[in-house]
Amino acid sequence: GEDVEQSLFLSVREGDSSVINCTYTDSSSTYLYWYKQEPGAGLQLLTYIFSNMDMKQDQRLTVLLNKKDKHLSLRIADTQTGDSAIYFCAEISDTGGFKTIFGAGTRLFVKA
Amino acid sequence: DSGVTQTPKHLITATGQRVTLRCSPRSGDLSVYWYQQSLDQGLQFLIQYYNGEERAKGNILERFSAQQFPDLHSELNLSSLELGDSALYFCASSSSGPRGGELFFGEGSRLTVL
Repeated sequence: GEDVEQSLFLSVREGDSSVINCTYTDSSSTYLYWYKQEPGAGLQLLTYIFSNMDMKQDQRLTVLLNKKDKHLSLRIADTQTGDSAIYFCAEISDTGGFKTIFGAGTRLFVKA
Repeated sequence: DSGVTQTPKHLITATGQRVTLRCSPRSGDLSVYWYQQSLDQGLQFLIQYYNGEERAKGNILERFSAQQFPDLHSELNLSSLELGDSALYFCASSSSGPRGGELFFGEGSRLTVL
């Protein structure tokens, strides 16, 4: 089956690190993605990781991938109020045709 | 601005009616995807087209249909509307071919069924 699961809410204080977790099911996914949705807007690609990598760092963002457990995480260092948004984990599934499957999204609240 | 244009931005209609949502992909993108976002279901994949052909199907109801035209724009038709169809409908496009890749999303069409 194809399913991507994430916790729905996360609240952190400004300046702290945020960690958003995700589990996925399709072990054949070549890439795994993190998208960000700001209020009233569509989703935008934030970062991605190739499936043969364990970690990818991009400025304040760190993506960790545990293929054995099919677990993906996104760490945002020094979280700012502007980081408040919904973060979606996504995988590409080839069941019934290639398609990008999204988790339900984690709503990040950043308290000043 | 992602380059993906969706119209209308907002639509209010009654149960039993039919609506058409329109999407223009980024210039040069051959793949178009439709997603439905609702509070209780998250972001659900509906259907994907690549260069005019249907390539993948998700949880799309039989009352819904879509097509991609020769100029690559796409339309999502929703008929016999029910209250539960109220949602934000997103179109996304990709240049990565039918096997996926980075998706560029429009701002969505918010449908309210009364």
